[in-house]
Amino acid sequence: FLLTQPHSVSESPGKTVIISCTRSSGSVVSNSVQWYQLRPGSAPTTVIFADNQRPAGVPDRFSGSVDGPSNSASLTISGLKTEDEADYFCQSYDTTNHAVFGTGTKVTVL
Amino acid sequence: QVQLQETGPGLVRPSETLSLTCSVSGGSMTSYYWNWIRHSPGKGLEWIGYVFSNGNTNYNPSLKSRVTISVDTSTNEFSLRLSSVTAADTAVYYCARDSLDGHFDSWGQGALVSVSS
Repeated sequence: FLLTQPHSVSESPGKTVIISCTRSSGSVVSNSVQWYQLRPGSAPTTVIFADNQRPAGVPDRFSGSVDGPSNSASLTISGLKTEDEADYFCQSYDTTNHAVFGTGTKVTVL
Repeated sequence: QVQLQETGPGLVRPSETLSLTCSVSGGSMTSYYWNWIRHSPGKGLEWIGYVFSNGNTNYNPSLKSRVTISVDTSTNEFSLRLSSVTAADTAVYYCARDSLDGHFDSWGQGALVSVSS
């Protein structure tokens, strides 16, 4: 299956951005969804795991959700800061435990 | 805090085999899944496969015919071999641990591998 994300989103500091991740086949609620932040020159870091859980140290400005009817997951970043400018990838699993990454979204803070 | 570090050649010739090793420090390899993931500008993040601490493996179907991942818990290392490489295999290669929470919680810094003659 594929996980499709918008190529890019832009917003001003202090505003909210929502990044969608749409699963092409199978149910998005069947397997956990994770979100990773990737900054240039750095390794990816987890901002959301298990659909809506934040690892220790990730601010509560980051939140995740899953919607069955639209078969999609979403990452919401509220109170946008310049440090949030990065690429974000969703990730889930198929029935044979293969990890699948989304197409990636570039977040620009204007 | 577990730390991971990739090592290997930065340049591989087309049709040859890419080999990378990931050294794990600060924690045990037992009962974890150890993964290889790559990132290229044109293809985003791509999961290559994993090896469990007991040696069981699982590979991305699109790469399965060319990939071998192995583990040596006595030296706290796991390795990637990708055969018959082409320019499309040029990427930053990361090793990563799959945590008990089901996400990649520890990553190496990444190793840029270019495929070129």
